[in-house]
Amino acid sequence: GQNIDQPTEMTATEGAIVQINCTYQTSGFNGLFWYQQHAGEAPTFLSYNVLDGLEEKGRFSSFLSRSKGYSYLLLKELQMKDSASYLCAETILTGGGNKLTFGTGTQLKVEL
Amino acid sequence: DGGITQSPKYLFRKEGQNVTLSCEQNLNHDAMYWYRQDPGQGLRLIYYSQIVNDFQKGDIAEGYSVSREKKESFPLTVTSAQKNPTAFYLCATTSGGNVRNEQFFGPGTRLTVL
Repeated sequence: GQNIDQPTEMTATEGAIVQINCTYQTSGFNGLFWYQQHAGEAPTFLSYNVLDGLEEKGRFSSFLSRSKGYSYLLLKELQMKDSASYLCAETILTGGGNKLTFGTGTQLKVEL
Repeated sequence: DGGITQSPKYLFRKEGQNVTLSCEQNLNHDAMYWYRQDPGQGLRLIYYSQIVNDFQKGDIAEGYSVSREKKESFPLTVTSAQKNPTAFYLCATTSGGNVRNEQFFGPGTRLTVL
């Protein structure tokens, strides 16, 4: 079966660093996405990892360990606008196409 | 402008009525998806389509139906058999079977059944 776990809520201070963890259990795993979603809006793409290691993109970085079934999203120099839900999603290539399974999301609150 | 259109943004229906949500894209993407999102939960896959005239059930297809007669359009019908239809519905596309391609999301339709 497929099971993605991530914390429900996190709080951090403006200017700080926060790490959001995600674990997954699935056969046929073939990549992991992180999306950002503000309340009432559609998710927007942040990062994609398929190989072990760290992918850096500006203030955001994402890490993957396939052997551990583990990923994290690292946000640096936090800003108030980073307050949002962060969705971890694993991708599996099936006969019917590219299928994503999402975690429940981590609601991040950035405070002054 | 290229993109994904979902309309309307807010939709109200009476219990027992079928309702169809539209999703149109001009990105020339092959694959299209429908998700449902409930408060405090992640996105759950309802149906997806890789090519025209073909579609697959997702994880929660019961009470829903779709069609894919054109590449640009993938409408979702919420039938009266869906027990809890009130939710935020998101349509997404991706350009093909290449797993590296991320899914692009439309703005969503918030359906409320009274």
